[in-house]
Amino acid sequence: EPEVTQTPSHQVTQMGQEVILRCVPISNHLYFYWYRQILGQKVEFLVSFYNNEISEKSEIFDDQFSVERPDGSNFTLKIRSTKLEDSAMYFCARRGRGDYGYTFGSGTRLTVV
Amino acid sequence: KNEVEQSPQNLTAQEGEFITINCSYSVGISALHWLQQHPGGGIVSLFMLSSGKKKHGRLIATINIQEKHSSLHITASHPRDSAVYICAVIDDKIIFGKGTRLHILP
Repeated sequence: EPEVTQTPSHQVTQMGQEVILRCVPISNHLYFYWYRQILGQKVEFLVSFYNNEISEKSEIFDDQFSVERPDGSNFTLKIRSTKLEDSAMYFCARRGRGDYGYTFGSGTRLTVV
Repeated sequence: KNEVEQSPQNLTAQEGEFITINCSYSVGISALHWLQQHPGGGIVSLFMLSSGKKKHGRLIATINIQEKHSSLHITASHPRDSAVYICAVIDDKIIFGKGTRLHILP
């Protein structure tokens, strides 16, 4: 069983629609991350989340993006009004305190049409 | 800002060949990951290392902290090893290389 589960695995949405990508870390870890990978490009950092609040975010993570850990288990990434350029693979990851080992989710492929 | 360079970008080899993928970075780090990304897109962590060498099955990863360089080796390569291999370094955040696309021919 994977340690980090992401749902859905693939989502197609219309431009301007809101999407919520979900990640279930299962283990009780403190640090969570979202990354994205536009097709053919390298993986990019979006945001880190520590102790239930954002600890760092990249310039990509603008006001259209938000993250939450609503029930202490799921970790969500919301894109309020999707753009074509948001089409990418989105990965969540987690690590433990003092541990540099990251575990990645299987990814959600978002296609904005 | 840490720059992560991988080489080669693409590599095609025959089954059984010994494979080496290289990673160089510009600033001191806490640790380095080697990741594998299959065509479906999912990422799997192969190794995390901060010094020396690690071995798992046919995979070997080495790191030279002084030279800011790491290598991933695959012995007796197999078509199922075909994937993109990504080097990622950790200082205050994780920074990814562009990846090396490996294709092993049967």
